[in-house]
Amino acid sequence: GAGVSQSPSNKVTEKGKDVELRCDPISGHTALYWYRQSLGQGLEFLIYFQGNSAPDKSGLPSDRFSAERTGGSVSTLTIQRTQQEDSAVYLCASSLGGGTNEKLFFGSGTQLSVL
Amino acid sequence: AQSVAQPEDQVNVAEGNPLTVKCTYSVSGNPYLFWYVQYPNRGLQFLLKYITGDNLVKGSYGFEAEFNKSQTSFHLKKPSALVSDSALYFCAVRVHGGYQKVTFGTGTKLQVIP
Repeated sequence: GAGVSQSPSNKVTEKGKDVELRCDPISGHTALYWYRQSLGQGLEFLIYFQGNSAPDKSGLPSDRFSAERTGGSVSTLTIQRTQQEDSAVYLCASSLGGGTNEKLFFGSGTQLSVL
Repeated sequence: AQSVAQPEDQVNVAEGNPLTVKCTYSVSGNPYLFWYVQYPNRGLQFLLKYITGDNLVKGSYGFEAEFNKSQTSFHLKKPSALVSDSALYFCAVRVHGGYQKVTFGTGTKLQVIP
């Protein structure tokens, strides 16, 4: 597709279950980002990929959170043993890179609800 | 470390009046600065950016922003507000060079009153 695609759009899960969130970036975009948007909290940086490597994982809230990117394309964010405080919208964005191409394209997000 | 401050949670302005949404930043080095907008029930969209050069940058939908290095600010402006401008606005920053972590502010809700 033409834009950043995220799936599922909505996920309801029970506390303690694991969830996987998927992001398909725009073809050719080398940079990929995960953010979390909670009500009143703005966009919280989680992790950034350049190609398949993640130079900055500093935003991951705990060791229950992990992410990978394969083939320089699709990325998966995994949350293990979900907690109620994990409920938020998880946003993925991709970018061609710096300079004149510096611009993030966002997906529509995954709304995660942990009951 | 880099950070962005948006001091106003909400800005109200009458339709037709000029609007300003404030943003200040902190970064070690020269900044790239951005504004993004989130309309209700829609994804985040790029509005404009400052990379280098002219301090006044123009973006989509008639918005502009002025980079002020001495005040470390990048306020978003529009000469005449429209009701359709009502949305959530985010300022963002990253440092020149190195990897591309982009840090966002907490957002400012703009309400344009008819």
